[in-house]
Formats: sequence, structure tokens, C-alpha cells
Amino acid sequence: NAGVTQTPKFRILKIGQSMTLQCAQDMNHNYMYWYRQDPGMGLKLIYYSVGAGITDKGEVPNGYNVSRSTTEDFPLRLELAAPSQTSVYFCASSPGTGRMNTEAFFGQGTRLTVV
Amino acid sequence: AQSVTQLDSHVSVSEGTPVLLRCNYSSSYSPSLFWYVQHPNKGLQLLLKYTSAATLVKGINGFEAEFKKSETSFHLTKPSAHMSDAAEYFCVVSEKYQGGKLIFGQGTELSVKP
Repeated sequence: NAGVTQTPKFRILKIGQSMTLQCAQDMNHNYMYWYRQDPGMGLKLIYYSVGAGITDKGEVPNGYNVSRSTTEDFPLRLELAAPSQTSVYFCASSPGTGRMNTEAFFGQGTRLTVV
Repeated sequence: AQSVTQLDSHVSVSEGTPVLLRCNYSSSYSPSLFWYVQHPNKGLQLLLKYTSAATLVKGINGFEAEFKKSETSFHLTKPSAHMSDAAEYFCVVSEKYQGGKLIFGQGTELSVKP
């Protein structure tokens, strides 16, 4: 009963490095999301996807890229890491708006520090 | 566009006393509303949800919330606080016609004193 799995849990990057945050879900959900959480700021939507091959920008997409080649996976790419990207990143999935139940299921988060 | 405002950034109560966490929303269409809880250094857990059925929604751990369309509010309550309720609480709105995106409030930190 894995749900939403994020890897890694922690990472320290140097300025200018790149990395990919992995996210996988085993619930056959159409919708997937990436959020970042900064202290006192709630969660801000970075990118989301309504199905394989379809992605769209959220509130704070600059500095990030995503792809959705399969229903299960939704990786988030940081190309040139900057200190402003120090945050906790959460991946989530939901069945989609075709149903009444649109709650999202969250992964445990990835704590990223850029130095 | 939809939005959520949590009216208190921090609430402090004594153990055994009632809890009230306030949330107002703005939505063009009939929204789905949620409360999530986040314990320190943990992920987010769904407490309860409103999806246009009963306006009084019961959730886990004794929490409940009432949807009031006339007041555009969805306040979270609990009759008696426990120490284990200390956490960050997020009110969240989702609109059917906005790609299912969840929009989060800024969060309310609940402290429970012995």
C-alpha cells in the first residue's frame, strides 16, 4: 500500500547543480502535482499534470521543469539550483475532477537545501 | 480564481478546551474544501473534506467543520483539544473547473498547553 513515494528524502545541492526529484504513485490517479513549502507560506503549486503527456504551470514554475511520460511517474527537474529553491517539496496525486472525491494524497516530502 | 484565507497564523489552547481554526474561501463555482494536518517534519494528512453533500462534515480524531455558503467559511472545530493535536493545519480549496488544483491557505499553527 505504497501510495505516493518521493525520493530522495533529503538532499544538499551546490548553486548551479541540477537534480531530479522523483515521484511515483500506484493508485492509477490521473492528476499529479508538485508543491513547495516555505515556512509561513503554506504550499505553493509548481506544476501539475492531468494525465500522461500533459503538464501545466502552477503558481511558481520558474526554475523547474516536469515531464509525465507515464501515469505513475511525475519527476521534477531543477536545472540550475539557486538558494531560493531551498524548500520542502511535496508530490501529490488525486483521481481527478471527474468525481466528487478530489482529495489529494501526498508523499512524505523532499527537503532540499541549496548552498 | 479561487483563494483561501486562514484568519489566524497561530492559535494556542489549553488541553481539554475547544479548538476553532477559521477559514474563509473565495470561489467562482461550487468548491470542494478540505482540511489537512501536518505534524512536525511529516507529510500532510487529510482531516476531512466537503464535496457538496452534508454541510457539517466529520473527520478523524474528533474534528469537524461546517460549510457556510452565505459566509464563505469552512471553520474547523474540535470540542476538546489533546496534546497530540499540536500541528500545522491547512485549509484547502479545489474547483472542479480549474484542473483539480488544490489551493492552500497559509496555515494555522495550533499549540496545546498542558
